[in-house]
Amino acid sequence: EIVLTQSPGTLSLSPGERATLSCRASQSVSSSSLAWYQQKPGQAPRLLIYGASSRATGIPDRFSGSGSGTDFTLTISGLEPEDFAVYYCQQYGTSPRTFGQGTKVEIK
Amino acid sequence: QVQLVQSGAEVKKPGASVKVSCKASGYTFTGYYMHWVRQVPGQGLEWMGWINPNSGGTDYAQKFQGRIAMTRDTSISTAYMELSSLRSDDTAVYYCLGGPNIGRGYFDYWGQGTLVTVSS
Repeated sequence: EIVLTQSPGTLSLSPGERATLSCRASQSVSSSSLAWYQQKPGQAPRLLIYGASSRATGIPDRFSGSGSGTDFTLTISGLEPEDFAVYYCQQYGTSPRTFGQGTKVEIK
Repeated sequence: QVQLVQSGAEVKKPGASVKVSCKASGYTFTGYYMHWVRQVPGQGLEWMGWINPNSGGTDYAQKFQGRIAMTRDTSISTAYMELSSLRSDDTAVYYCLGGPNIGRGYFDYWGQGTLVTVSS
């Protein structure tokens, strides 16, 4: 199975700063079949990005995704208070679908 | 609008079984697969498998083979996930995932989650 490794584990930033989250795959993710999710405490994850770079419905344009092959990035251009959460990447190009272990974005 | 409503929290003893339900609305239940994912408290997300509500066909993650069963009742647009021989490390929130985009591979509709606690 494809193992996804996210870094860093925790990102401490201030509101307004730029956040850059990394997701590295153990083998190439076919057709850029990579998604990003945001999860807040006590809530189900919410889809942010699919196809590595397409924003899901209703997602603000401060969220952007990029990458291909084995290296993917989620960028939040200017952190809003509601963006402090845990972020997961997921690949869906190869069965079984797998998730990264998550990156927590916390307030500095 | 698409909604996935799951059954309530459960407390089970080690060795028992649990059956979680997920009622779908807002789309054609039999037209799209239903997936299940779990999350151990404070940890990441783990894909468990899927069911084809039309045919009843299933595919399970190897880790759960032999003690998981996904079924459905198309008359009430409800999918079920049953996990048997429960252990303490099965304590987790279990999510169903569905909706008309499920075939594309990503998960844009999630149930609210069902906490299953396994404790003696």
